[in-house]
Amino acid sequence: DAKTTQPNSMESNEEEPVHLPCNHSTISGTDYIHWYRQLPSQGPEYVIHGLTSNVNNRMASLAIAEDRKSSTLILHRATLRDAAVYYCILRSSGGSNYKLTFGKGTLLTVNP
Amino acid sequence: NAGVTQTPKFRVLKTGQSMTLLCAQDMNHEYMYWYRQDPGMGLRLIHYSVGEGTTAKGEVPDGYNVSRLKKQNFLLGLESAAPSQTSVYFCASSYHEAPTSGANVLTFGAGSRLTVL
Repeated sequence: DAKTTQPNSMESNEEEPVHLPCNHSTISGTDYIHWYRQLPSQGPEYVIHGLTSNVNNRMASLAIAEDRKSSTLILHRATLRDAAVYYCILRSSGGSNYKLTFGKGTLLTVNP
Repeated sequence: NAGVTQTPKFRVLKTGQSMTLLCAQDMNHEYMYWYRQDPGMGLRLIHYSVGEGTTAKGEVPDGYNVSRLKKQNFLLGLESAAPSQTSVYFCASSYHEAPTSGANVLTFGAGSRLTVL
C-alpha cells in the first residue's frame, strides 16, 4: 500500500480555519484519499474522501493537488470539538484490497 | 440506528485466560474488521471478513481468532491472553459499492479496552 506522511501535531485557534496536510508521493491512479478522525476515548470517525477533484461535505473540505501527490483537509472554522487525531489514508481499488491501513496521524489541538 | 456495537467495553484478564469480544452491526454491511490501537502505533488490522462465513488475516493476527457465523456479528477471540495483548480494540464495518471499491468507508465502534495482567 502507498504510504502517507503527516505532521505529528498541529495547533489552531478556535473559529479559525485549519489546514491539515498529507503527502502521498507514491499514490497510484486508482487510490482514493480518505480522512478519518479520532476524538479522545472514541472510535475513528469518517470525515471525507476523494479521488481527483476537491470535495466538500458538512464536516470539511478536501483539496487534492493536481498531481495527487499531496492533499489538504480543511476545517473551515475549528471548534474545541474538532480536537482529535486526524488520519490521512490511501485506499486502492482492485485486486484483493479490503484493508485500510492507519498511520500515526496528526494530533490537532484547538485553543479557545 | 445503533451502527457498530462492541461488547464488553472494558475487561481485565489474567495471563492465560480466554475471552471473546463481540461486534454487532445493524447496517447490513458485508465487510467487518478488527483493529487494535496501542500508544504511538496508530490502528493495526488484526483480522477481517469479506462476508458471512469468511475470515482473513490482517497485519497482526497472531494470538487471535475470529469467526463470522452471522453477517451482523464478528467475534474476536483470545485463547490464551498475554500482557502484550493489552490494548484498545476497535471493530469496524463497511459496505462496498463495488467488490473492491476504493471509495469504501468504514464505520467504527466505540472500542473495547482490554487489560491483561
